Parts: sequence; C-alpha cells; structure tokens
Amino acid sequence: GENVEQHPSTLSVQEGDSAVIKCTYSDSASNYFPWYKQELGKGPQLIIDIRSNVGEKKDQRIAVTLNKTAKHFSLHITETQPEDSAVYFCAVPAGYSTLTFGKGTMLLVSP
Amino acid sequence: NAGVMQNPRHLVRRRGQEARLRCSPMKGHSHVYWYRQLPEEGLKFMVYLQKENIIDESGMPKERFSAEFPKEGPSILRIQQVVRGDSAAYFCASSPPTGLTEAFFGQGTRLTVV
Repeated sequence: GENVEQHPSTLSVQEGDSAVIKCTYSDSASNYFPWYKQELGKGPQLIIDIRSNVGEKKDQRIAVTLNKTAKHFSLHITETQPEDSAVYFCAVPAGYSTLTFGKGTMLLVSP
Repeated sequence: NAGVMQNPRHLVRRRGQEARLRCSPMKGHSHVYWYRQLPEEGLKFMVYLQKENIIDESGMPKERFSAEFPKEGPSILRIQQVVRGDSAAYFCASSPPTGLTEAFFGQGTRLTVV
C-alpha cells in the first residue's frame, strides 16, 4: 500500500517567519495531494491541494509544491501568525476510496 | 449549510459495552468515510460507504466493528464489547460521488473506554 512520510513531527517558529513541511510518498500513480489543518478538538480541514499536472499552487500565505520525480510535496506557510498553530497532515490517495495520511506536524507559532 | 455532523462529540464507555457513533453527511453528499485517529497519530482509514452499500472496509478490524449507511438516517459506526485500545477519535468524512477530492470531515467523536 501507499507509504507516506511526513517531516518534521514538530516545528516551532516565530511569528512572521516561514514554515515548511515535507511529505514523501511511494506510489507513483498518485495524482492528488491535499494538506489538512487540524486544530485542537476539531476535525481536519482541507486548506490546499494540488494535482499532478502542476508543480506549485498558492493561496494567499500558503503554497504547495510538488516534485513528482522525487515523489515529494511540501506545504509552505509564509508570514506565520499565532492562529496558524495547529497540526498539519499531508495525505495521498490509496485507491479510489481512501486517503493515506502522514503522521502530522505540530506547528507552534510564537508571538 | 450544515457541514458533516457527528454525535456524540464525546462518548465514555466501560469495557465490554457497545459504542454507537453517528455521522450525518453534508447535504447532497452520498458517500461516507470513517477514519480513526489514535493519540499523536495520523488518521487511519476504516470504511467507505454509499447509501445501503459498503464499498471498501479494508481498514475495519475483523471483529467487533461494523458500519452501515441506511437509505434514511445517519451512518453508524458500531463497536461491540469495547476494549481500552478502542479509545480514539473517530472521524467521518462525506463527499459527493466525485469522491475524496471534495471530502469534508466532521468534528469527530472522542471515545474513551474506562
């Protein structure tokens, strides 16, 4: 099955700094790469996704880059704010009906 | 426009009891997915259902766990004879027939087995 590795497991930054989280995957057939944000006590919320026909996608302060050759994709958050503090998960489809999730990155943004 | 509704939000059961978790999908969504999240872990797929059909249950434990999505009413994840290891957060997601690329998650049910 699909194997997803996510790094780092924790990330502490100062407000205003950038944060980068990276995921690697094993199945070269994957063509959809979402990122989820999970705040304490809440469900995962889709924040950005990218499909395999593009290398980068941006939405305000967040962006995702994809390197299909190397089988990795990254989440970039610029100008971080305390409200960005959460656990972030990458995911990769495993067949039609499932998403395989990374183990998560706890991002802490200090004021 | 309500999102995916899960209840209860918190559930405490004694070992050996049954737990029933409910999930009402978003309006217009006919597909439901159940995931389990252990402490400090990612989400693990359990089961994928459409109305009255189990499509993929490859992530479901072979015993004690069952799921249904009837023609009317919410999807139910049922855990019989709960054990301490069942303590986790259980999340439901729903999507239209286009599948996981348009899936939204509920707030989860946190099951604690004492």
